[in-house]
Amino acid sequence: GAVVSQHPSRVICKSGTSVKIECRSLDFQATTMFWYRQFPKQSLMLMATSNEGSKATYEQGVEKDKFLINHASLTLSTLTVTSAHPEDSSFYICSARDPSGSDEQYFGPGTRLTVT
Amino acid sequence: GENVEQHPSTLSVQEGDSAVIKCTYSDSASNYFPWYKQELGKRPQLIIDIRSNVGEKKDQRIAVTLNKTAKHFSLHITETQPEDSAVYFCAAPLSGGSYIPTFGRGTSLIVHP
Repeated sequence: GAVVSQHPSRVICKSGTSVKIECRSLDFQATTMFWYRQFPKQSLMLMATSNEGSKATYEQGVEKDKFLINHASLTLSTLTVTSAHPEDSSFYICSARDPSGSDEQYFGPGTRLTVT
Repeated sequence: GENVEQHPSTLSVQEGDSAVIKCTYSDSASNYFPWYKQELGKRPQLIIDIRSNVGEKKDQRIAVTLNKTAKHFSLHITETQPEDSAVYFCAAPLSGGSYIPTFGRGTSLIVHP
């Protein structure tokens, strides 16, 4: 099946700094990618839908100025957590929608962000 | 938006028993229903999915049933093994006709040896 990678897998940063997470589709082109946040023992919560060449669509309650999403190419979407705070510590997962148009998603391995 | 409810939140069974997890959804236009298994600290893995043109799909010890009239679908695991222990999520990625991935709250399955 299709492969999605994420980098870094783990990152620790200080409060007030920014962190960039990359999501790449390795063997296919992804026009649509999704970013999720998952807190311990909770479900995946969709943060935003990233569309190549256009602005991301953010879910209600997600601050677009804090979570910057860029989908500049068909294989790369980035999520930048700006001015990070300890409450932003979470597991961030991206996924790409199957390029054939089916409803299947391919998930990245996730990024564990810890803000100290 | 789409509302996906999943039950139970935790399920504890003895090895060899069957486990059933149920999800209900609200968007009648939904036509794709995946189930994911997630181990601690890892990505969700698709274990089985079903489309609305069938009522049941089976893959070895795992099966999914769909009742479109009642808007619910269920995951069935037979002959459970300790390695089946994980969190299972259902999803119904459609809301108001748009593709918006929405997950259930998850079920923590514990299989006791």
